Amino acid sequence: KAGVTQTPRYLIKTRGQQVTLSCSPISGHRSVSWYQQTPGQGLQFLFEYFSETQRNKGNFPGRFSGRQFSNSRSEMNVSTLELGDSALYLCASSWGTSGMRDEQFFGPGTRLTVL
Amino acid sequence: GQNIDQPTEMTATEGAIVQINCTYQTSGFNGLFWYQQHAGEAPTFLSYNVLDGLEEKGRFSSFLSRSKGYSYLLLKELQMKDSASYLCAVSFTGGGNKLTFGTGTQLKVEL
Repeated sequence: KAGVTQTPRYLIKTRGQQVTLSCSPISGHRSVSWYQQTPGQGLQFLFEYFSETQRNKGNFPGRFSGRQFSNSRSEMNVSTLELGDSALYLCASSWGTSGMRDEQFFGPGTRLTVL
Repeated sequence: GQNIDQPTEMTATEGAIVQINCTYQTSGFNGLFWYQQHAGEAPTFLSYNVLDGLEEKGRFSSFLSRSKGYSYLLLKELQMKDSASYLCAVSFTGGGNKLTFGTGTQLKVEL
């Protein structure tokens, strides 16, 4: 079956702009989680969506937001971009059986560069 | 906090065995995952531990001690293609599918 897809793969923006990233999960998966990966901080959890509802949220400012559609596709938005937002943004999909083994499959990521 | 600690870098020789350690806070522990990430690629799942003991999967094995807050990933018969970053990630109760990751161990396999 097809894996997790993310678009776009690369993005260059300037400070103050906003950006929207898209993630299409594996067919049948209802949970989509977003992570930010930087060399210094590693992978950090942004939020998780399950059945169109945000189920968990990490410690990121309100400039980072997301949503999930009825087909489980998810988008994340970053407003008023800062230089420090430059990172690889990864989404991961899973069945969403919280509390049990629920392997997360990662997409290839979107490399965001903020100038 | 929910710090996940693992060594930053390790170097090993092709054909050898290497053990990558991971320690975590035991309070609220739900399960532990190991992922492999090659440079420029997405993390890929290696193993999952929830009970004490060793889980073996081919050349890779993962061990967990819940009481000690300790896990290791054991890679046998190392190959050059095993050069990658190895990520330890923990799920905690009440966190849904949220995974808390360590910063990763960069493994370099040399001839």
